[in-house]
Amino acid sequence: EDQVTQSPEALRLQEGESSSLNCSYTVSGLRGLFWYRQDPGKGPEFLFTLYSAGEEKEKERLKATLTKKESFLHITAPKPEDSATYLCAVHGGATNKLIFGTGTLLAVQP
Amino acid sequence: NAGVMQNPRHLVRRRGQEARLRCSPMKGHSHVYWYRQLPEEGLKFMVYLQKENIIDESGMPKERFSAEFPKEGPSILRIQQVVRGDSAAYFCASSPQGALNEQFFGPGTRLTVL
Repeated sequence: EDQVTQSPEALRLQEGESSSLNCSYTVSGLRGLFWYRQDPGKGPEFLFTLYSAGEEKEKERLKATLTKKESFLHITAPKPEDSATYLCAVHGGATNKLIFGTGTLLAVQP
Repeated sequence: NAGVMQNPRHLVRRRGQEARLRCSPMKGHSHVYWYRQLPEEGLKFMVYLQKENIIDESGMPKERFSAEFPKEGPSILRIQQVVRGDSAAYFCASSPQGALNEQFFGPGTRLTVL
């Protein structure tokens, strides 16, 4: 069964303190791995899509990487406005659906 | 270019009533997906539709839930005879082509069943 596990569940950082979020996945034939950001009371906001192991994408202070078993979302010198829940999802095999992890709640303190 | 629109944003129903949730996809998008998010849980896929067709409803409960995406107008998620366990945030997403493409989410409808 396709599965996505995110860790840690929650992460508290000081402003400027870089860190990484992990997304481990089990899927039969990965067709895409997606990162989203979700603010309280809002819908997920698309960040990145990764398709193959070794691929990397960057956007401002965020960088996403992909291996055959996991993905990392690296946050460099975070700011308080980066505080949100970060969601990882996979699209695999013959399914049309995205399978989401439960997210990492990131809090960046000034 | 407006994003995915959902209405109502908040919906309160009493047990046994019907709930209708609407979703207008982004302009140019013909694929719509519905997800449910329960407190402390991740987003769970419910159904995938194209215009006038249900492509995948494997995540939809067998009873009381139905979805449509007519040729004209928004996609509708309908929940009949709601129960307290239906209380959740329901999100709609759209994509320009198949599910392999990025899905863009609406703001959600928060359903509360009293």
